[in-house]
Amino acid sequence: AQKITQTQPGMFVQEKEAVTLDCTYDTSDQSYGLFWYKQPSSGEMIFLIYQGSYDEQNATEGRYSLNFQKARKSANLVISASQLGDSAMYFCAMREGPNSGNTPLVFGKGTRLSVIA
Amino acid sequence: NAGVTQTPKFQVLKTGQSMTLQCAQDMNHEYMSWYRQDPGMGLRLIHYSVGAGITDQGEVPNGYNVSRSTTEDFPLRLLSAAPSQTSVYFCASSPFGGGSSYEQYFGPGTRLTVT
Repeated sequence: AQKITQTQPGMFVQEKEAVTLDCTYDTSDQSYGLFWYKQPSSGEMIFLIYQGSYDEQNATEGRYSLNFQKARKSANLVISASQLGDSAMYFCAMREGPNSGNTPLVFGKGTRLSVIA
Repeated sequence: NAGVTQTPKFQVLKTGQSMTLQCAQDMNHEYMSWYRQDPGMGLRLIHYSVGAGITDQGEVPNGYNVSRSTTEDFPLRLLSAAPSQTSVYFCASSPFGGGSSYEQYFGPGTRLTVT
């Protein structure tokens, strides 16, 4: 079974608008971490934001925020005030376990976001 | 710090050839891993290591070997390349310790084509 599901293969958003990229996850661990990465057309993987399973507040990093709904097992990425440079692939990922600095990071299949001027 | 480096950036192999993709990090990270990225498939884990001398298989290990003789280096070996191994390969590392907050740092990737 897929541990990370991203149901939107592609999304379009108008410049300056907000956009939500969906991510649901599957785990039986109580302790886990959720990550979002951006991959522009140049190919590098850029870390955006992290949410821990015990974090009570939603994570925010500049224009990025994570809508974490633990009971629904969802960790949606919200990008506010979209810019043309936000056009990229976005991947949701998870590490499981209390000491998960030593466990694999499992990725979803990604969502391609296109920002329209 | 150079971070995570990978060589080569591009490689073309013929079916049956062998080669090693190099990965090195200078951040003293205990955890290292290899992924392959194919269109529509996301990043899939090939092998990973939690420290020198320790390796484990990921989701798609067949056709690949790894070893970890030092903390810094984690080479990926293709013993007999097949067209199905045409992909972009990423190496990543992260520090060890408690909690899930340790993001992985990625190398720039190696684009491999097997003809």
